[in-house]
Amino acid sequence: GNSVTQMEGPVTLSEEAFLTINCTYTATGYPSLFWYVQYPGEGLQLLLKATKADDKGSNKGFEATYRKETTSFHLEKGSVQVSDSAVYFCALSDPLTGTYKYIFGTGTRLKVLA
Amino acid sequence: EPEVTQTPSHQVTQMGQEVILRCVPISNHLYFYWYRQILGQKVEFLVSFYNNEISEKSEIFDDQFSVERPDGSNFTLKIRSTKLEDSAMYFCASSALSTTSNEKLFFGSGTQLSVL
Repeated sequence: GNSVTQMEGPVTLSEEAFLTINCTYTATGYPSLFWYVQYPGEGLQLLLKATKADDKGSNKGFEATYRKETTSFHLEKGSVQVSDSAVYFCALSDPLTGTYKYIFGTGTRLKVLA
Repeated sequence: EPEVTQTPSHQVTQMGQEVILRCVPISNHLYFYWYRQILGQKVEFLVSFYNNEISEKSEIFDDQFSVERPDGSNFTLKIRSTKLEDSAMYFCASSALSTTSNEKLFFGSGTQLSVL
């Protein structure tokens, strides 16, 4: 079945450090891929998405490239800030199994220290 | 940006009791969903709802669960007789369309349900 695997947290970084959060997926079709972020006390917010191979999603300095050959969608940011501290979720939506039944990873908590 | 609102933020109940989790989706959205996340595990799809009926449900969504849109604004999840393993964060979500796989879901901030 479809699944998403993302790296275990928590990830603790100093401000201005480079961030990578790994995400790999298994899907039967050609899924769309998403990164959602949850700031403390808030809901899940869409951070970025990519809908086909080699697409790069980007937002707020974060980037992720849809790599079909490695079935990956790693999240990166060149210089993190304290305000980036949150839980990050990788997710996929597979059109073969349902357009709204998103499959999520377990989430990776990021803590950025000043 | 418009928001999905969930109440309460935290609900504590005794095993065997009924609970109702409430959600107010974004006003012009047509599709509604419940997801849940047991501590340390993945966010899991429970159910989707469109046109006043369930569109799809997961294996988790057994006869103890039900959803309802009692009026034009609320969307509720009822657990008839709670079990310890129902303890989780429950997220409500809504979307305007469901015709493409890249449709954006808007999530609420969640209700943390603790069953004692």
